[in-house]
Amino acid sequence: AQSVTQLDSQVPVFEEAPVELRCNYSSSVSVYLFWYVQYPNQGLQLLLKYLSGSTLVKGINGFEAEFNKSQTSFHLRKPSVHISDTAEYFCAVRYTGFQKLVFGTGTRLLVSP
Amino acid sequence: DTAVSQTPKYLVTQMGNDKSIKCEQNLGHDTMYWYKQDSKKFLKIMFSYNNKELIINETVPNRFSPKSPDKAHLNLHINSLELGDSAVYFCASSQEAFTGVPSTDTQYFGPGTRLTVL
Repeated sequence: AQSVTQLDSQVPVFEEAPVELRCNYSSSVSVYLFWYVQYPNQGLQLLLKYLSGSTLVKGINGFEAEFNKSQTSFHLRKPSVHISDTAEYFCAVRYTGFQKLVFGTGTRLLVSP
Repeated sequence: DTAVSQTPKYLVTQMGNDKSIKCEQNLGHDTMYWYKQDSKKFLKIMFSYNNKELIINETVPNRFSPKSPDKAHLNLHINSLELGDSAVYFCASSQEAFTGVPSTDTQYFGPGTRLTVL
């Protein structure tokens, strides 16, 4: 069955510290991977996506993610976070041959001064 | 300039009522979606329409009926509302064509409609 796991429901971090949000997906031959961000009381916005090619993907707002096929992971990183990065982050996977995005349960990033 | 818009933003209603949520996109996309986000923030697809044709219909009670009058609109009508229907409903759109070739198209989300059933 297709599934996406975000192990951390909440990640507290201090401003200017690095952060990594973890995402693992159930194994498949081929996938497309996405990270979305949801700011309070807003809809989801695409941060970045991996379709093919280089396994390191850069997105908006200084975020990047690395696709690791052997570990079936797509962890999101930022070297130095800001207060404004406080939001809910969703990993999503599109399994080729299937018509829908499967979302993880989200990780709440809490950045404090 | 809003790409995907939804109305209303908040909807509070009594159990048993019938209500509709409207969605419009001005991106020229062929495909629109409805998602439900529960109180634990879990986001799950409900429906997908491509060129006014139903493509994805997850196991959703038939009290929920999507209607697509044209490519730019996908409305969600809910009959006999229940307490468990309380959630945030998101509309989204993409350029996905459902031609059999796997799509890499980004989905663009609306701001959500928070439905509270009392």
